[in-house]
Amino acid sequence: QKEVEQNSGPLSVPEGAIASLNCTYSDRGSQSFFWYRQYSGKSPELIMFIYSNGDKEDGRFTAQLNKASQYVSLLIRDSQPSDSATYLCAVGGWTGFQKLVFGTGTRLLVSP
Amino acid sequence: ETGVTQSPTHLIKTRGQQVTLRCSSQSGHNTVSWYQQALGQGPQFIFQYYREEENGRGNFPPRFSGLQFPNYSSELNVNALELDDSALYLCASSDRTARYGTGELFFGEGSRLTVL
Repeated sequence: QKEVEQNSGPLSVPEGAIASLNCTYSDRGSQSFFWYRQYSGKSPELIMFIYSNGDKEDGRFTAQLNKASQYVSLLIRDSQPSDSATYLCAVGGWTGFQKLVFGTGTRLLVSP
Repeated sequence: ETGVTQSPTHLIKTRGQQVTLRCSSQSGHNTVSWYQQALGQGPQFIFQYYREEENGRGNFPPRFSGLQFPNYSSELNVNALELDDSALYLCASSDRTARYGTGELFFGEGSRLTVL
């Protein structure tokens, strides 16, 4: 069983729609959860982090965490073509300064 | 601009050779982590350096080794290259002593290694 699982996609949404990206993890001791965006040929860029159960909003992005279900999600509202990228879910310990375990990523395609 | 710089950006080696990849961390960051990202996969943790000492290692063989220097820059060395070592090698820096640090990793643009 993979430690962090994501649907590889592609997830296709029209411009202006809500994109929903999901991630499950196996280590119940995980405490920090991150979403990175990676454009083709580029390095990962952090867009959201969350530590507590519930929702965390930042602009068009909302991260949702449910530790009981070991589930993390990322919602992107008003999706734009520039959001087209691979979204990586990463899971870490208390501070995140420990190693991060990444999923394989979900490819998002936003069509104009 | 993340401030983390890596060199070289691309390189080609043959099986059995050795390679050294370099990383300059973002100003003020004292921790450097290295990740390997194979095509179509997520980054995999290789190891982390803090205060010039290895501080955590992933599931990589001893032929993967590293160094951190007093100025927090770092090197990743890979000996006896194998075809499966072909990947994007990412360096990430962070500030371990930040009181409310999120553990945010700032990634460099990576070094793409091709082993023939």
